[in-house]
Amino acid sequence: QSALTQPPTVSGSPGQSVTISCTGTSSDIGSYNHVSWYQQPPGTAPKLIIYEVTNRPSGVPDRFSGSKSGNTASLTISGLQAEDEATYFCTSYTTTYTYVFGSGTKVTVL
Amino acid sequence: QVHLVQSGAEVKKPGASVRVSCKASGDTFPTYNVHWVRQGPGQGLEWMGIVFADGRDTRYTQKFRDRLTVTRDTSTSTIYMDLRSLRSEDTAIYYCAREEDHSFNFDHWGQGTLVTVSS
Repeated sequence: QSALTQPPTVSGSPGQSVTISCTGTSSDIGSYNHVSWYQQPPGTAPKLIIYEVTNRPSGVPDRFSGSKSGNTASLTISGLQAEDEATYFCTSYTTTYTYVFGSGTKVTVL
Repeated sequence: QVHLVQSGAEVKKPGASVRVSCKASGDTFPTYNVHWVRQGPGQGLEWMGIVFADGRDTRYTQKFRDRLTVTRDTSTSTIYMDLRSLRSEDTAIYYCAREEDHSFNFDHWGQGTLVTVSS
């Protein structure tokens, strides 16, 4: 199972919106809505920020939103803040009953 | 509140085995699945496998199928990951992560355990 494809880096100024894509196949993202996103600041464990494509866990700011179309999922950060600097990973359940992660996207706030 | 506390860093020689533990707090331990995910130096996350809530069923990604075993001890609320025939490419931080009630996401993570494989 190959990793889901994400852009290596994305950047934006404070207050801007950025979108991170996560491209898979019909064997993972295209088959299920079991797509989640994780935020990982340097030196820390990942943190769940979006699950089932569009849902936010309690405590996650509403400037984080998710969507999906076909084999591609997306994470949008609206109103970018300095504290959003981190690496973001997507993951999807697959048709072989396993999980696959994205390659990761480093978000830089200019 | 759920906490997953992992065992400390390990240094192993190539060909050796390593056991990493993940102790869970909270009374819902019997109801959730536990996954293992690893992250090589400067690398992305890699899903390795899962032990289901019943403790009997496991599933591993093809890459690790012949050298990975994940078990859980309900009496001590501890999950174990055993990786055999270590090689230098196995140097990574290993995380345990909780999946609540077939939610298909990982809502709580351990702090990570660094395993270094070096001769």
